[in-house]
Amino acid sequence: DAKTTQPPSMDCAEGRAANLPCNHSTISGNEYVYWYRQIHSQGPQYIIHGLKNNETNEMASLIITEDRKSSTLILPHATLRDTAVYYCIVTTNAGKSTFGDGTTLTVKP
Amino acid sequence: GAVVSQHPSRVICKSGTSVKIECRSLDFQATTMFWYRQFPKKSLMLMATSNEGSKATYEQGVEKDKFLINHASLTLSTLTVTSAHPEDSSFYICSASGDGLRSNLNTEAFFGQGTRLTVV
Repeated sequence: DAKTTQPPSMDCAEGRAANLPCNHSTISGNEYVYWYRQIHSQGPQYIIHGLKNNETNEMASLIITEDRKSSTLILPHATLRDTAVYYCIVTTNAGKSTFGDGTTLTVKP
Repeated sequence: GAVVSQHPSRVICKSGTSVKIECRSLDFQATTMFWYRQFPKKSLMLMATSNEGSKATYEQGVEKDKFLINHASLTLSTLTVTSAHPEDSSFYICSASGDGLRSNLNTEAFFGQGTRLTVV
């Protein structure tokens, strides 16, 4: 799996959009970008994934640059319950993932 | 989405004993499941890939005789920590993706809720 780089921590005001960046400059053509989050002492929760097109679901939007070397996860209206560690993963097999250190997002009232 | 269930969620055992952790895919079939370990304030580390009907594939540095994995059916994989020691205390998490015939496609992966093992 390609290596990913994420900022260690970010803050966001409640109700505002949270934009979490991820660099994956060594991504190969058949690798997807996945985002998960982990709330303390729970298993990771799937958020969204994509190959090259931007994606949106009920939880978030995923913006992938045209060269696919970076992506941004957008939580449009962050709530306190969105406080978690967010992991960006690049892989050809969703179940077998190499987790980096992720970004600790803190949503503040 | 699909559900992956782990049992137990917490277990405390004495040093030298063995502990079995179950991982079940409740509403889909998974020929492949994965086991991870997570130490406090650290990220998840892949331990092994569990294949239904065949031997598990272990990551480098993971002792296969200590962490026994059995994938008895398309919906159940078990991880047994044998002769547990305090340093084995950790958060163990399983995941599964796809259905029985599509586990290697890029669908989303579903993770269990994790098992907190404490060895005293």
